[in-house]
Amino acid sequence: DTGVSQDPRHKITKRGQNVTFRCDPISEHNRLYWYRQTLGQGPEFLTYFQNEAQLEKSRLLSDRFSAERPKGSFSTLEIQRTEQGDSAMYLCASSPIQGPERVFGSGTQLSVL
Amino acid sequence: DQQVKQNSPSLSVQEGRISILNCDYTNSMFDYFLWYKKYPAEGPTFLISISSIKDKNEDGRFTVFLNKSAKHLSLHIVPSQPGDSAVYFCAASDSGNTGKLIFGQGTTLQVKP
Repeated sequence: DTGVSQDPRHKITKRGQNVTFRCDPISEHNRLYWYRQTLGQGPEFLTYFQNEAQLEKSRLLSDRFSAERPKGSFSTLEIQRTEQGDSAMYLCASSPIQGPERVFGSGTQLSVL
Repeated sequence: DQQVKQNSPSLSVQEGRISILNCDYTNSMFDYFLWYKKYPAEGPTFLISISSIKDKNEDGRFTVFLNKSAKHLSLHIVPSQPGDSAVYFCAASDSGNTGKLIFGQGTTLQVKP
């Protein structure tokens, strides 16, 4: 287990299409987080899971965004009816329950045309 | 509401000199602070952290200073090396709300040979 893995690395889609991103955390980490980063800004928290429970989702940007972690292992982030403003880097991170340090994946760069 | 601010978008220093990156925060509930480093097309990687019960933490060439009364922290890199050129993010967490790690906007450091 070499770290947090995200797939795909890049996604180009047309406005109105749905996209889904996958994150595989470090296997012994109970917590999984999704962040979004736009140019010139720091990562912006979206949601997080502890095992399979989604403990915070109020920061998801709209009802077009949803995340799942059905078996407490990998997670998916779905954006429905994409808009050009959704173009960003979507980062996944994981951590043990204790401690604030997160291990980040390399991200999925989304471009909505 | 930008709770963590890095007011200098960029910093350029000569190799071998000191780099000082600054960060201010507004939320007095923050009790743990972290610095992350990010290269292009990669996710942020953890660099160093400090708890609010300390005012200094050192790890090799990297030292973080925390001034709680001023709600200010800084990262010192001595001596700076060209490989340190990256974007540096300050982040803060509230242990009572452990899902969220709030990031600053980042400072791009360039170390010139």
